Amino acid sequence: RKEVEQDPGPFNVPEGATVAFNCTYSNSASQSFFWYRQDCRKEPKLLMSVYSSGNEDGRFTAQLNRASQYISLLIRDSKLSDSATYLCAVMNSGGYQKVTFGTGTKLQVIP
Amino acid sequence: DVKVTQSSRYLVKRTGEKVFLECVQDMDHENMFWYRQDPGLGLRLIYFSYDVKMKEKGDIPEGYSVSREKKERFSLILESASTNQTSMYLCASSSATGRGDYGYTFGSGTRLTVV
Repeated sequence: RKEVEQDPGPFNVPEGATVAFNCTYSNSASQSFFWYRQDCRKEPKLLMSVYSSGNEDGRFTAQLNRASQYISLLIRDSKLSDSATYLCAVMNSGGYQKVTFGTGTKLQVIP
Repeated sequence: DVKVTQSSRYLVKRTGEKVFLECVQDMDHENMFWYRQDPGLGLRLIYFSYDVKMKEKGDIPEGYSVSREKKERFSLILESASTNQTSMYLCASSSATGRGDYGYTFGSGTRLTVV
C-alpha cells in the first residue's frame, strides 16, 4: 500500500460547482498534513495546511479524519483558474519535516 | 516571501557527465530537500539536509549525492548521468522552527534531459 494515495482524476467540473478530493495515508503516526496546488509545468505551491479542527480559506476547506486516516479538500464555486493538480502531503514523526506527497488529483474546471 | 532559486530551468547533458544542480534559499531555512517528479510516480525524495554539512538519504538516493556547505545553498550532484535520470528536479526548503507552519517552498524546478 502506498504511503499517501490520491485518485488521479481527472475531475471535470463545470464552473460554479463544488468538488471534493480525498487523500488517504497509511501511517497512523503522521503529524502534519498539507494540500499543494501545482499548475502545469510549474512547481507545487502550498495551498493550505490541514488542522485537526479543519480549516477554511475562502472557497477552500480542508479537513482531517484521523480515525479513517484521510484528509479532504473541498472547493466551492469552482473557477476556471482552479484548474490544476492538487497534491496532498503528509509529514510523519521522526523529525526533519520530511514530507511524502501523493501523486496528485487533476482538476479541470470547464466553462 | 521566501524565495527558492534553482540555477537552471532546462539542462541537457550527455550520458556519463557529472551534473550539478544548484539551489539557493533566502529565508534562513534550516531544512532543504531535493525531489524528482516523474509522470505517474509523483514527487520522490532524493536527499535532504537539516543543517550545514548534514545530509540524509531520501527514498531514491542511488546515483546522486548532495552538498551543503552553506545554510542557504543545497547542491544535487549526479555523479555519472544516465538516461533514467531524465526528470524534473525540484528543490524545496522549510523552517525547522515552525515558521510558515512547516510547509515547503519549492523552487521553479530544473528539467534535466540526459541524452
